[in-house]
Amino acid sequence: AQSVTQLDSQVPVFEEAPVELRCNYSSSVSVYLFWYVQYPNQGLQLLLKYLSGSTLVKGINGFEAEFNKSQTSFHLRKPSVHISDTAEYFCAVSDAEEYGNKLVFGAGTILRVKS
Amino acid sequence: DAMVIQNPRYQVTQFGKPVTLSCSQTLNHNVMYWYQQKSSQAPKLLFHYYDKDFNNEADTPDNFQSRRPNTSFCFLDIRSPGLGDAAMYLCATSRGVWGEQFFGPGTRLTVL
Repeated sequence: AQSVTQLDSQVPVFEEAPVELRCNYSSSVSVYLFWYVQYPNQGLQLLLKYLSGSTLVKGINGFEAEFNKSQTSFHLRKPSVHISDTAEYFCAVSDAEEYGNKLVFGAGTILRVKS
Repeated sequence: DAMVIQNPRYQVTQFGKPVTLSCSQTLNHNVMYWYQQKSSQAPKLLFHYYDKDFNNEADTPDNFQSRRPNTSFCFLDIRSPGLGDAAMYLCATSRGVWGEQFFGPGTRLTVL
């Protein structure tokens, strides 16, 4: 079964600084990868996804992620964060060879942007 | 705006007292999902409906049931809530099993 590891439970960063949130998944089989953001008391919103093609994926709000198959990683990056980026970020994976888009989530990383 | 709505947003129940959580959608998506998210943990899929076909995850406790009376609505029934069932319950929908999943705001369940 798939599993997802988000290496940092919390990441504090100053406003306008770059940030990277790390995500590793367990299996080297064909996968689909996702990053979701969750603001307080809200549901999950899709930031970006990798299904196939270019390994560098651009998403909403200036975020991007790079799929690295050899390292089974899908790290999320933003070159300059804003206060409004403070939220919890979840990495998720689904097995592309298994019927149904069953998402397996990581435990989440809380991004705290300080002024 | 098309959306996924969950009611109530906060639910308090007593140990062993049945509770029902509600999800509705205006997206006309044919797949609906229920996830359980315990404090500081990842969301975990409980089950999903593909149209009227119910798909239970192997490790979902029997205490959890679901109903989907029509395309728009899906209910999560917890027959005898225990303290360990306190969590955020997230509903999601997608167009087809490979479509993007759209999440509702969640219902936070407290068990006293």
